[in-house]
Parts: sequence; C-alpha cells; structure tokens
Amino acid sequence: GENVEQHPSTLSVQEGDSAVIKCTYSDSASNYFPWYKQELGKGPQLIIDIRSNVGEKKDQRIAVTLNKTAKHFSLHITETQPEDSAVYFCAASNDFGNEKLTFGTGTRLTIIP
Amino acid sequence: NAGVMQNPRHLVRRRGQEARLRCSPMKGHSHVYWYRQLPEEGLKFMVYLQKENIIDESGMPKERFSAEFPKEGPSILRIQQVVRGDSAAYFCASSPESVTGELFFGEGSRLTVL
Repeated sequence: GENVEQHPSTLSVQEGDSAVIKCTYSDSASNYFPWYKQELGKGPQLIIDIRSNVGEKKDQRIAVTLNKTAKHFSLHITETQPEDSAVYFCAASNDFGNEKLTFGTGTRLTIIP
Repeated sequence: NAGVMQNPRHLVRRRGQEARLRCSPMKGHSHVYWYRQLPEEGLKFMVYLQKENIIDESGMPKERFSAEFPKEGPSILRIQQVVRGDSAAYFCASSPESVTGELFFGEGSRLTVL
C-alpha cells in the first residue's frame, strides 16, 4: 500500500517569512495529492490539492509543487501570518474509484509574531 | 449547505462499555470514510463505505470494531468492549459520487476510555 512521509514534524517561522513542508510517497500509481490544515480541536480542512497532470498550483499565499519522477511534493506558504499556525497534513491517493487517502504524520507550524 | 456532522463530539466510556459514533455526510455525498487520530499523530484510515456497502475495511481492527452506512440515516462506527487504547479522535469524511479524491471532514468525535 501507499506510504507517505512528511518533514519536518515541527516548524517555527517568523511572521512574514516563508514556510515549506515536504512529503514523499511510495506508490507510483498515486495521482492526487491534497494538503489539509488542522486547527486545535477541529477537523482537517482542505487548503489546496494537486493532481499528477500538473507540476505546480498556486492559490494566493499557498502553493504546492509536485515532482512525479522523484515522488515528492511540497507545500509553500509565503508571507506567513499568525493564523497560519496549525498542523498541516499531506496526503496521497490513487483517485481511481474513490481510493482512500493515505496521510503523512503532520507538521506543526508555529508562526512567531 | 451543512458540512459533515459528527456526534457526539465528546464521549466518555469505561472499559468494557460500547461506543457508538455517528456521522452524517454532506448533502449529496454518498461516500463515507472513517479515520482515527491518536494524540500528536496523523490520521489513520479505518474504513470506507458507500450506502449499504463496505468498500474497504483494511484499516479496521479485526475485533470489536464495526461500521455501517444504512440506506437511511447516518453512518455509525461501533466499538464494543472499549479499552484504554481506543481513546482517540475519530473523524468522518465524505465525498460526492462524481468527484474522486477530495474528502470533506467533520469536526471529529473524541472518545475517552477511563
């Protein structure tokens, strides 16, 4: 089955700086890669996703890049703000037939004011 | 459009009791997934259901755990004879028929076993 590894497990960034979180996956058949943000006591919320037919996707301050050859993908947050503090999870799936998502272990991002 | 609704949000049980967690998917969604999250850990897949069918239960413990998604009503995750190791947050997610991959999560049910 799929195995997703995520680094770093914790990340502290000065407000206004950029944050980068990296994930690798094992199953070359995976073709859908979402990122979720989980705030304390809440459920995960989808913030951005990318499919294997594109290499990069951007939504305001958030961007995701995908390297299918190397089987890794990254989340980039620019101009970080205190409200970006949360736990971020990457995930991967083969979306043929609504396959389940396999999640990384999470990154606790802290934005230092 | 209401999101994924889970209840109860918090549940306390003594060892040996039963826990029932309910999940109503988003309107129009026919696929339901249950995930478990231990403290300070990621989300582990448990089971994937469509109406009246279990599609993938590869993440479910072989004993004491069961799940259903009846034709009418919410999906239910049932844990019999709970043990302290069952203490965790249990998240339900749903997705629509036509779009694959994207999951919408509920707020979770936090089970504490005393």
